[in-house]
Amino acid sequence: AQSVTQLGSHVSVSEGALVLLRCNYSSSVPPYLFWYVQYPNQGLQLLLKYTTGATLVKGINGFEAEFKKSETSFHLTKPSAHMSDAAEYFCAVSGVGANNLFFGTGTRLTVIP
Amino acid sequence: NAGVTQTPKFQVLKTGQSMTLQCAQDMNHEYMSWYRQDPGMGLRLIHYSVGAGITDQGEVPNGYNVSRSTTEDFPLRLLSAAPSQTSVYFCASSYGGARSDTQYFGPGTRLTVL
Repeated sequence: AQSVTQLGSHVSVSEGALVLLRCNYSSSVPPYLFWYVQYPNQGLQLLLKYTTGATLVKGINGFEAEFKKSETSFHLTKPSAHMSDAAEYFCAVSGVGANNLFFGTGTRLTVIP
Repeated sequence: NAGVTQTPKFQVLKTGQSMTLQCAQDMNHEYMSWYRQDPGMGLRLIHYSVGAGITDQGEVPNGYNVSRSTTEDFPLRLLSAAPSQTSVYFCASSYGGARSDTQYFGPGTRLTVL
């Protein structure tokens, strides 16, 4: 079985500050891990994904995430927050089937000017 | 190239009514999915399709029906709407499965059942 826990439903940071959004997963098989972003009134957009290989994954808009197997974590970071980063972020883990993704409950990021 | 389109954007139904949410993609993707998004629960998979004529259930399929007669279209049918089906519905498509390939999401349909 697969599941995802996102710690913190709301995170606020100042513009220019570090962004850290936390994601822990549970998976009975080697996981594929994803971060998606949802801007207001829009669908989800893939930020980055980990499949195999390098554990530090770089995505769009300056975001990156590191897969840590020992900690079962896949936290999302960005060194310097921008106002345009304000959105909801979802972590997801793949299931056994080719089309099964299990999403976390989301973290809403607010960027304070 | 319109990507994934969904209609309608908003819909209000009365309990017991039926309706179809439309989803179409023009990227020649084999895989298509329907999710519902509820506050505090993230996205949950309703049904998915791995190609024309092939569909399967996801995590929360009860009360919904799907079919896939063409590669482009994947409609979601609510047979007898209930207030518990009030949600935002997203359609997604990908060339391969969601595990291995990027999913593209439509803009969503906001459904209210009274």
